[in-house]
Amino acid sequence: DTEVTQTPKHLVMGMTNKKSLKCEQHMGHRAMYWYKQKAKKPPELMFVYSYEKLSINESVPSRFSPECPNSSLLNLHLHALQPEDSALYLCASSQGPGQGAGSPLHFGNGTRLTVT
Amino acid sequence: QQQVKQSPQSLIVQKGGISIINCAYENTAFDYFPWYQQFPGKGPALLIAIRPDVSEKKEGRFTISFNKSAKQFSLHIMDSQPGDSATYFCAASHLNDYKLSFGAGTTVTVRA
Repeated sequence: DTEVTQTPKHLVMGMTNKKSLKCEQHMGHRAMYWYKQKAKKPPELMFVYSYEKLSINESVPSRFSPECPNSSLLNLHLHALQPEDSALYLCASSQGPGQGAGSPLHFGNGTRLTVT
Repeated sequence: QQQVKQSPQSLIVQKGGISIINCAYENTAFDYFPWYQQFPGKGPALLIAIRPDVSEKKEGRFTISFNKSAKQFSLHIMDSQPGDSATYFCAASHLNDYKLSFGAGTTVTVRA
């Protein structure tokens, strides 16, 4: 089992809904990430939090809103999504600054999101 | 702009055979080269990683070969097993950068 836990595993939402994805890790990692992965494609970076501060936003549309309540938790708030936003959303964590992506990324198993 | 090019897109190998996946990169600032393995319905998991100061790294049946002058690196899976059937992603980054540049992925199927 992965050390990064994501809930829910599956989510179906309409274009007018508001939902949230949750991610939790207890490895003491200080960097947390959201990735989006389409079928048969590599993960695409969306956001990076370092020490609970937003460090990177890869020009993600505002209908995706990340939140890092503490060093162990990461949320992704979803609102007014489009069908093309359907994908696997992966959370990951790694050790803090100075190691960045050079330290192994630990991925969760993702939330399979379907927007109808 | 794809910074890491990966080939082949897919490969089929018989049980006990050798699987070889190749990657090439452009950015000479990259100094960290991990490989991730992803099974259907799961997140990617780090398989093995290499730094450019070594030319080869072996962990069990998995070996990374690295050619700094050619800006290429490859993954060899020796004695391939059906349980190795998965998608493999090479990646590259600067050690202190949060951004990983992933290759497009290779789907490996090992026939029993």
